[in-house]
Amino acid sequence: AQSVTQPDIHITVSEGASLELRCNYSYGATPYLFWYVQSPGQGLQLLLKYFSGDTLVQGIKGFEAEFKRSQSSFNLRKPSVHWSDAAEYFCAVGLRDGGFKTIFGAGTRLFVKA
Amino acid sequence: DTAVSQTPKYLVTQMGNDKSIKCEQNLGHDTMYWYKQDSKKFLKIMFSYNNKELIINETVPNRFSPKSPDKAHLNLHINSLELGDSAVYFCASSSRGEKLFFGSGTQLSVL
Repeated sequence: AQSVTQPDIHITVSEGASLELRCNYSYGATPYLFWYVQSPGQGLQLLLKYFSGDTLVQGIKGFEAEFKRSQSSFNLRKPSVHWSDAAEYFCAVGLRDGGFKTIFGAGTRLFVKA
Repeated sequence: DTAVSQTPKYLVTQMGNDKSIKCEQNLGHDTMYWYKQDSKKFLKIMFSYNNKELIINETVPNRFSPKSPDKAHLNLHINSLELGDSAVYFCASSSRGEKLFFGSGTQLSVL
């Protein structure tokens, strides 16, 4: 069955430091891959997506992610974290199963310390 | 100009009651969804409608009944509410099913 694993429940980084959030997926074919961000009390917002082509994708707010087929990974990175990046981050896999279904990982909570 | 709006934002009710959550999107999308987010932030798809037709129906108790009067609206009715139904329910929409646009959620508390 398709699944998404985010091994880190929470991560704390200092403001200005670099960030990497890990994501591994299980899916037979090349998946559609997404990263979403959720601020407290809000719905999710798409940061970036990968469908095909260049395996390094750029997103909003200075985020990027790299698709590595050999590792079944799609890790999210940001070179310099800002305090406003503190939020919950969700990796997701999209697949066509009847309709288009998006399966989310359990999320990683990012804390940013001054 | 909220793209996906859902009401109410908070819903507190007693076990056994029936309640509804409404969702509207003004993005012109053809597909709408209901997701449930539990207390551990885990998000799970419940239903998906495409042009008013139910296309995804996960293993959700039949106490939950979605209704789509038109492709801009998707409502969720819940009968005989149980404690375990307490969660945040998110409506979302998409065009061709890929990028999801989420509402801000309805926090349901069943007492």
